[in-house]
Amino acid sequence: EPEVTQTPSHQVTQMGQEVILRCVPISNHLYFYWYRQILGQKVEFLVSFYNNEISEKSEIFDDQFSVERPDGSNFTLKIRSTKLEDSAMYFCASSEASPRDYGYTFGSGTRLTVV
Amino acid sequence: ILNVEQSPQSLHVQEGDSTNFTCSFPSSNFYALHWYRWETAKSPEALFVMTLNGDEKKKGRISATLNTKEGYSYLYIKGSQPEDSATYLCVLNSGYALNFGKGTSLLVTP
Repeated sequence: EPEVTQTPSHQVTQMGQEVILRCVPISNHLYFYWYRQILGQKVEFLVSFYNNEISEKSEIFDDQFSVERPDGSNFTLKIRSTKLEDSAMYFCASSEASPRDYGYTFGSGTRLTVV
Repeated sequence: ILNVEQSPQSLHVQEGDSTNFTCSFPSSNFYALHWYRWETAKSPEALFVMTLNGDEKKKGRISATLNTKEGYSYLYIKGSQPEDSATYLCVLNSGYALNFGKGTSLLVTP
């Protein structure tokens, strides 16, 4: 069964450093997303991406965050200058078409620890 | 952000017991409701996508119902097995983003 792949599974970084979280969505999917879950809290929406541009983003997704689909297969989330509060589990998801009917396929997440 | 509430927060049942969880959400702004099964260190696995009031969906021993007018969905597991142990997430699709509940953590012991 096709999977969404995320790398690395765990990343530790120093406060102020840039990090790039990588995702390989399912190949025929058209919609891509990043979500995050801070320990003990609900999963939160960050951003959705379609047709090579951001379609929606939440208040969390400020100027420190950016997304890219550099080569038609990878979908990356960059955090420019990490803060302690960015420590969370980051999930990538993709959807074939309208997620109303198809739902989302999630990756297994990248645990980001900012020290 | 739409508030999605799930209860109970956790549940511990014996193998063979049947069980159910509740998800409640604002009945307006409804687009679709998703149930996911999430085991630790794995990807959330889609169980159901439900869109219509009165929808009932079934997958093996797991079934779900949806009432959009009153804003709730039930997930049922018949004859629980240890491999059903996981967190069950209720997720409301607002059209452009998913709004997650905190999940119900189920533990099934032999």
